Amino acid sequence: SQQGEEDPQALSIQEGENATMNCSYKTSINNLQWYRQNSGRGLVHLILIRSNEREKHSGRLRVTLDTSKKSSSLLITASRAADTASYFCATDPGDDKIIFGKGTRLHILP
Amino acid sequence: DTGVSQNPRHKITKRGQNVTFRCDPISEHNRLYWYRQTLGQGPEFLTYFQNEAQLEKSRLLSDRFSAERPKGSFSTLEIQRTEQGDSAMYLCASEGPGKPQHFGDGTRLSIL
Repeated sequence: SQQGEEDPQALSIQEGENATMNCSYKTSINNLQWYRQNSGRGLVHLILIRSNEREKHSGRLRVTLDTSKKSSSLLITASRAADTASYFCATDPGDDKIIFGKGTRLHILP
Repeated sequence: DTGVSQNPRHKITKRGQNVTFRCDPISEHNRLYWYRQTLGQGPEFLTYFQNEAQLEKSRLLSDRFSAERPKGSFSTLEIQRTEQGDSAMYLCASEGPGKPQHFGDGTRLSIL
């Protein structure tokens, strides 16, 4: 079963613009993670935010977490062609497994 | 780079045949996970190991599926009597204590 649900399902933006993706989930979590997947490849971990954190930065990535709304957002600033990929949120409910959403397919236009 | 390695990368087989996939995790990682991913979906948990012990299996894992990690290092996932619905990408990930999961590039299974 998939707990997280990303929004939008697909997003196309011009290179240099910012991209924002949202994730909603259903149950309580220990942490929430974002992963990137290039076509035909495995997933790459981007960033983890713990349930007691509200915002986290890593390079051009900014993640927010609102546990009262059970939602998170991933912002990619100054997008590049290489950012074209699928982005997944994954929630850790504390039972040694993480549960992935369906993903947002991001396409950066030249 | 000694990342997670999966073999084969692609497998095409006829319905009813058995297939086996292999995953070599990052050597110091004690946990190993198997996922299945279909087009347009996120990875779905199948099973995981801590060292050689298989700790949990998803209800998605029918009795045609079996996974092993005999020495706590590499793992195999076998599917017996394959069906059309088994066509998917099978992903393996390994995890060390307090670390995020590292994924291999998967085995893409196509059932003819």
